[in-house]
This record gives sequence, structure tokens and C-alpha cells, in this order.
Amino acid sequence: EAGVVQSPRYKIIEKKQPVAFWCNPISGHNTLYWYRQNLGQGPELLIRYENEEAVDDSQLPKDRFSAERLKGVDSTLKIQPAELGDSAVYLCASDPGQGGEIYNEQFFGPGTRLTVL
Amino acid sequence: RKEVEQDPGPFNVPEGATVAFNCTYSNSASQSFFWYRQDCRKEPKLLMSVYSSGNEDGRFTAQLNRASQYISLLIRDSKLSDSATYLCVVFFNNNDMRFGAGTRLTVKP
Repeated sequence: EAGVVQSPRYKIIEKKQPVAFWCNPISGHNTLYWYRQNLGQGPELLIRYENEEAVDDSQLPKDRFSAERLKGVDSTLKIQPAELGDSAVYLCASDPGQGGEIYNEQFFGPGTRLTVL
Repeated sequence: RKEVEQDPGPFNVPEGATVAFNCTYSNSASQSFFWYRQDCRKEPKLLMSVYSSGNEDGRFTAQLNRASQYISLLIRDSKLSDSATYLCVVFFNNNDMRFGAGTRLTVKP
């Protein structure tokens, strides 16, 4: 079974430029997460989707970050404009999303390593 | 105070040693607890869940202490392949969850 796919794996851009990341979750997984992980830190949740609905975007810096999951499958995360402090690894994860208060194991993609110069 | 705190380490131990990590959490309403493992420049992967009664999986033992609000991970007979960062994850009762910053372990020959 294919895992979570992310692209690109690496991205180097200059500050003030836009950037977009793509994620394809595991087939059948309804819940999709975007995380940001800084060096030496744990992943920090940016946004969580249940199917195509963003159910938790409280940690997403909405002035420059946006995300979409139009058909409830693939998702894109965009930063415009990027700042130096956005340099990090952006991880996508998915789980079966059975809902309720049951925690499901999250499966992570390999991440996109962003460097903003 | 951070919601989930871990000693960042690094823990440097010889092969065969026993090592233990703790993770404290601030929200007493926390419901579920997990340990993830993250190898260098790789994605996190679930290592084990932490049950109220404690649970063991081979050389790994996880325990929960709700009164003191911490979880622990014990690794016995450390192997070189155990070298990684261990992330604790706390799941709250509103589908909210937090990762700790991780504890780095290096097992040396």
C-alpha cells in the first residue's frame, strides 16, 4: 500500500516569493493534517481536514498561509509571501478519520524541507 | 508552561543499557497518549500507545501516571538501531493533540 506522498521534497526560495506544497494521503483516509516542524522541535499542527472540511485551522497563520482540499483527497498548502522564519519541514499526515474522540494512528509523509533565503 | 514537555537530551547510552524518558503534560483532561519515533531527517512513526495500565512491546514499556501527569518510555537492552528522537503525543478530549519537542537518543557500541 502506498504511503502518504508529498512533493516537492525540497524547496529553496527567496523571501517574499510564494510557495506551494502538495500532499496525497493514503487511499481511504478521510482525515488529513498539515504540520510544520522546526529543527529540534516536534511537529506543530497547522490545519486538520475531515474530508474537504477544515475542522481545525486555529494554528494556521492566515495572513500568509492558505490550504485547500477541494475533493477531500489531495491537499495543497500555500505560503504567500514567504518569510525567513518559514524555513522548516512541512509534514502532511493522514488517518482513517473514524471521528469521535478516538485517536487514530497518523501516517506521515516524508515532508517538504523549505528553505527561505 | 508548555502543554507537553520533554527532556530534549541527548541521551547517550551504550548498547545493552536501559534508558527511560519522561514526558509531562499540563492538561489534566488529556485522554490519550502515544510515543512516536522519528529517525534523523525522516517522518515520525507510531511506536506505541500508552494505556492506563501500562503496556509492553518487546523491549519497550510505556507507562502513564495521571496523578503526576506524565508518561514514560523505558527501553531495555538498547540496540544501535534504537538511536532516534522519541516524541510524545498527547490527545485532548476535543480532537486536539500536541507533540512534545522530542528526546534524542544515541546508542553507542
